[in-house]
Amino acid sequence: EPEVTQTPSHQVTQMGQEVILRCVPISNHLYFYWYRQILGQKVEFLVSFYNNEISEKSEIFDDQFSVERPDGSNFTLKIRSTKLEDSAMYFCASRGLAESYNEQFFGPGTRLTVL
Amino acid sequence: KQEVTQIPAALSVPEGENLVLNCSFTDSAIYNLQWFRQDPGKGLTSLLLIQSSQREQTSGRLNASLDKSSGRSTLYIAASQPGDSATYLCAVRSWVYKLSFGAGTTVTVRA
Repeated sequence: EPEVTQTPSHQVTQMGQEVILRCVPISNHLYFYWYRQILGQKVEFLVSFYNNEISEKSEIFDDQFSVERPDGSNFTLKIRSTKLEDSAMYFCASRGLAESYNEQFFGPGTRLTVL
Repeated sequence: KQEVTQIPAALSVPEGENLVLNCSFTDSAIYNLQWFRQDPGKGLTSLLLIQSSQREQTSGRLNASLDKSSGRSTLYIAASQPGDSATYLCAVRSWVYKLSFGAGTTVTVRA
């Protein structure tokens, strides 16, 4: 069964460093998302991406964040200068085009720890 | 802004008992609602999706109902098993792209 994959599973970085989180969505999906979950808190929406552009973003997704689909398979989230409060589990999700059944499928997540 | 609330926050039942998990949302103009399962430190596994035009969706021992006008959904898990122990999340998609999540109900099924 097709699935969303994410790498790395765990990333440790120093405050102020840049990180890139990688995702491979399900191959025929066209909508891509990043969410995050700070320990003990709700899953929060960050950004959605369709047709090679951001379709929606939350107030969390400020200038420190960017997304890219560098090729036909990968979808990345970059954090330019990490802060302690960026420590969280980051989930990538994707969904297909058919409106009749538009379930979002989530990857296993990348745990980001900022020291 | 869509707010999603899940009650109770935690639930402990003996094996074999039926589970009832509640989800409420403030804006009834939704596109669909998804129920997820999350094991500790793991990702989100989609369990059921209910379109706004549907009242109910079933998969095996799971049954989810949706009352859009009152802003409520209920997930029923029949004949619970210890393997059902997890956190169950409700997420609502409004007429934009994102999902808005509840905080979850953590279920413990005692053997």
